[in-house]
Amino acid sequence: AQSVAQPEDQVNVAEGNPLTVKCTYSVSGNPYLFWYVQYPNRGLQFLLKYITGDNLVKGSYGFEAEFNKSQTSFHLKKPSALVSDSALYFCAVPYSSASKIIFGSGTRLSIRP
Amino acid sequence: DGGITQSPKYLFRKEGQNVTLSCEQNLNHDAMYWYRQDPGQGLRLIYYSQIVNDFQKGDIAEGYSVSREKKESFPLTVTSAQKNPTAFYLCASGQGSEQYFGPGTRLTVT
Repeated sequence: AQSVAQPEDQVNVAEGNPLTVKCTYSVSGNPYLFWYVQYPNRGLQFLLKYITGDNLVKGSYGFEAEFNKSQTSFHLKKPSALVSDSALYFCAVPYSSASKIIFGSGTRLSIRP
Repeated sequence: DGGITQSPKYLFRKEGQNVTLSCEQNLNHDAMYWYRQDPGQGLRLIYYSQIVNDFQKGDIAEGYSVSREKKESFPLTVTSAQKNPTAFYLCASGQGSEQYFGPGTRLTVT
């Protein structure tokens, strides 16, 4: 069965420092992996996806994610955090059929000035 | 939030009343979804529809009902049978495995 796990409920980073939000996955076959962001009282916005190819995927707002097959991880990264990056981040993987998506439990990213 | 609208943004109801949440999309997507989000938690799938006039239960369908009479619209009814309806409700549409979300409706039942 497809699943993703986000081991950290909260990540705190100082503005200007690099940030990492962790995600590990368990999938059968080739993984499709996604990151979404949710700002307070808003819907989710798509950030980036990995389908195949380069292990480093670039997305919106300066975010990137590194696919690591041996560690079954898909961590979200940004070289220099902004206060405006503070939000809830979800890692996700599609079900094997029916176009459904399984979301992780979410990680709250807090960037302090 | 793309081409998906949800209304209203905030909704208040008395216990025992049914309430319908609206979701409309102009992205021409076949698939539409309803999720529930509780404070500090992830998303749980309530219902989804892959095509007009067809829909399937998600993980927490009890106490909810949907219809899909038009491609653009996927309304969700929260019935009085739903034991704990106060939550943030998110609608999404998708093409393939990528989903696009509406701004959400925050429902409070007292």
